[in-house]
Amino acid sequence: DTEVTQTPKHLVMGMTNKKSLKCEQHMGHRAMYWYKQKAKKPPELMFVYSYEKLSINESVPSRFSPECPNSSLLNLHLHALQPEDSALYLCASSGGGGLMNTEAFFGQGTRLTVV
Amino acid sequence: AQTVTQSQPEMSVQEAETVTLSCTYDTSENNYYLFWYKQPPSRQMILVIRQEAYKQQNATENRFSVNFQKAAKSFSLKISDSQLGDTAMYFCAFMKHMTNAGKSTFGDGTTLTVKP
Repeated sequence: DTEVTQTPKHLVMGMTNKKSLKCEQHMGHRAMYWYKQKAKKPPELMFVYSYEKLSINESVPSRFSPECPNSSLLNLHLHALQPEDSALYLCASSGGGGLMNTEAFFGQGTRLTVV
Repeated sequence: AQTVTQSQPEMSVQEAETVTLSCTYDTSENNYYLFWYKQPPSRQMILVIRQEAYKQQNATENRFSVNFQKAAKSFSLKISDSQLGDTAMYFCAFMKHMTNAGKSTFGDGTTLTVKP
């Protein structure tokens, strides 16, 4: 199973809402990532969990908070977002050993619209 | 810090023809990996091909091949016998050896359209 599953696929939320994005992988990978991607742009790395240790891109606002309940699951909690946060949010994982360490496996993303 | 440059924002090719996407990078590292990822309209990014910097032989995967010029820091992707399903955004990416694959540095991407 070489799949990263993200839910939901689409999300519309108001600026006062709280919501969560979910990501799951069953490849035994020990690193998982959240990215933000605007249209026609490359993905921007937001957070990395590697062996349960969190690394943060310091430019990411605090209205985004990641959570890693276990090595297979990664959540992104959203609170008081702004319209400019509307984007595609991608999850990825890596770290299967050997050459698999050199490939990131991506989910299909959550298309988020903030109204 | 590494930089990756894709100088062609958009390209198009006729079905069954060959197209080459350009990528240059800048690094002081000697040991690294280079990738081409494909992102179709379905949104999921998929690895197309991978090149290890210490290998002189250019990587190939079926219709996809690279021209890796380490001294020139150039890493182009050639797609032969283009198919409609090749329509996608293509990202060139750089990864230092012994780092997490998801921390790769991405270029700005090239949108490829394959025309029937």
